[in-house]
Parts: sequence; structure tokens; C-alpha cells
Amino acid sequence: DGGITQSPKYLFRKEGQNVTLSCEQNLNHDAMYWYRQDPGQGLRLIYYSQIVNDFQKGDIAEGYSVSREKKESFPLTVTSAQKNPTAFYLCASQKASSSSYNEQFFGPGTRLTVL
Amino acid sequence: GDSVTQMEGPVTLSEEAFLTINCTYTATGYPSLFWYVQYPGEGLQLLLKATKADDKGSNKGFEATYRKETTSFHLEKGSVQVSDSAVYFCALSRDTGRRALTFGSGTRLQVQP
Repeated sequence: DGGITQSPKYLFRKEGQNVTLSCEQNLNHDAMYWYRQDPGQGLRLIYYSQIVNDFQKGDIAEGYSVSREKKESFPLTVTSAQKNPTAFYLCASQKASSSSYNEQFFGPGTRLTVL
Repeated sequence: GDSVTQMEGPVTLSEEAFLTINCTYTATGYPSLFWYVQYPGEGLQLLLKATKADDKGSNKGFEATYRKETTSFHLEKGSVQVSDSAVYFCALSRDTGRRALTFGSGTRLQVQP
């Protein structure tokens, strides 16, 4: 089955630690996205990548970093510079060149809690 | 910039009631419009979409019509079920540029038996 996987499902971080959230897709999609969801709010864009080895900052990129070395993978690192990282993180992917090219598919999410 | 405004929840209905969740947007040009649904502890699933004015998206008994004159994309269902209880997000995206989704804040629907 094609889809997007995120791991881990739950992640706990101590103050001052960096943590990396995994996102993998086997849909052969070109574009990938990271969103952050806070309780009672919509999703906000952290970073996105439309092609391998290239990525762009979204609306709330401060304190986060990403890489896109492979088409299938788009890991997100939450650094110690992120002041309030406790949130639900969602990864999405999108095929750039189909008739439904702007439909995004989402992974199951990672819930990050700072202890 | 682009924005999406949804009615605040929670919306509490009895089973078989009629559902409307209002959504309006602000954007230049002709964005595509979406409704996504999120069940507790899960990611988002696409419910329906419309890519041009007057298009009607439909799926699983839900419908929404792209109204450019009122910049709206209201979600409707004629008869809700307990299993429809979830959070519903209205979103838009553009055909060019970053193509990321701009989301509304979400509306929680609770359907009681």
C-alpha cells in the first residue's frame, strides 16, 4: 500500500535537546511539507520541499531544520532554539504534475511533548 | 495574504440532523478549495475538493460548492451519523508558488445518538 509514514507516534524531549521526526512516503510524490498543529488551531506551515536537495521556509520555520536528500524522505529536526515545541506535527506530500496536483496526502502525525 | 475563516465549534448535533459548517476565504485569483477531516489522534484525510468556481465537491454524503461571488465553500450533509464526529478543516491552495495549504482553524463536530 502506498502512503506516508511518520515516526515516532509519540516523542518526549527534554529542554535543550534536539529531536528529529521522520517522514517517509512511497507515493513517488515530488513535494513534501511539514505542518504544526496546536490545540484548537489550524495547521501552520513549517518547511516545504518541491524537489530533492531543495527546501524552503514556511511561515514558522524558526527553531526547525529539514533536509531532502532523497525523494522519499523529509525529516524535520526540532532544535533547542524552538521555544515552544510541544505540538502535533504532520507531514504531507503532493504530486506536482497530475490533474489533482494540489491535493496533499497526510501522514498520521507525531505528537511531541517537552518535559 | 491568503486566509480561511471557519465557524467556531464545537457543533453539537443529534444523529440524522442537517449539518452546515461555514467557510469563507480571502485570496487573489482562483485558489483550489478543500475540506479535510481529522479523527482523534490521526492525520488529515481529504474529504472533498473543488478547483474552480461553481464546482461542487462531494464525498460520503458531504457536499460543498465553490462560490466565488461570496468567496465561500460551506460544508453540508443532509443526515449526520455518530461516526461523522471529528474535526473539519477548510483549506485553500494555489496553482503556483509553494502550493502549501492555508487552513482554517477547524470546527469540531460532535454527533450524539
